[in-house]
Amino acid sequence: DGGITQSPKYLFRKEGQNVTLSCEQNLNHDAMYWYRQDPGQGLRLIYYSQIVNDFQKGDIAEGYSVSREKKESFPLTVTSAQKNPTAFYLCAIGAGGGKNIQYFGAGTRLSVL
Amino acid sequence: AQSVAQPEDQVNVAEGNPLTVKCTYSVSGNPYLFWYVQYPNRGLQFLLKYITGDNLVKGSYGFEAEFNKSQTSFHLKKPSALVSDSALYFCAVRDFIYGNTGKLIFGQGTTLQVKP
Repeated sequence: DGGITQSPKYLFRKEGQNVTLSCEQNLNHDAMYWYRQDPGQGLRLIYYSQIVNDFQKGDIAEGYSVSREKKESFPLTVTSAQKNPTAFYLCAIGAGGGKNIQYFGAGTRLSVL
Repeated sequence: AQSVAQPEDQVNVAEGNPLTVKCTYSVSGNPYLFWYVQYPNRGLQFLLKYITGDNLVKGSYGFEAEFNKSQTSFHLKKPSALVSDSALYFCAVRDFIYGNTGKLIFGQGTTLQVKP
């Protein structure tokens, strides 16, 4: 987990509320990723960014938004349009290129009140 | 479509016995394969990867994996299991469908339970 900081560790969302999950890295890696983890379903890609000011939708982007204004930061907003937001959210970084390893943060567990 | 399958939801072994966690994949072209481990309420930790070369890959904590191209498998192994190996294990393959984005496709995970 070192070098990748996700906050908060636990987050609660009320109906109709947008919430933002933070992901910060100090490893100077170009690529950053957001995954959602649900029991028995593995990890599914929400959004990814390979460079500052650019990002692409993953497999389950609906109801989520991101920004990449700085290399170090890739925040994820869970909008009110996401009707089933309860999950464990994981941020990952990669040095770029197909052979490189992704390293993961410690995760944020989001629950609905 | 590219995919990864982990056919066992849970694997139970006794401490000291060898363990195997199975993974099969379906990709076009040469696969880049990875194993990760996750402890409760934590992020994923990298164990090992196969890109090219020797079919037997050695990784962290005494784990190894065997790449078998004809069977499209990449099973994770350890000669002698420890109770502390109990965790959730994920197999993943690099997704090259949309170019070199670094995207990973994950299996659904296998829970390893090592009993004393």
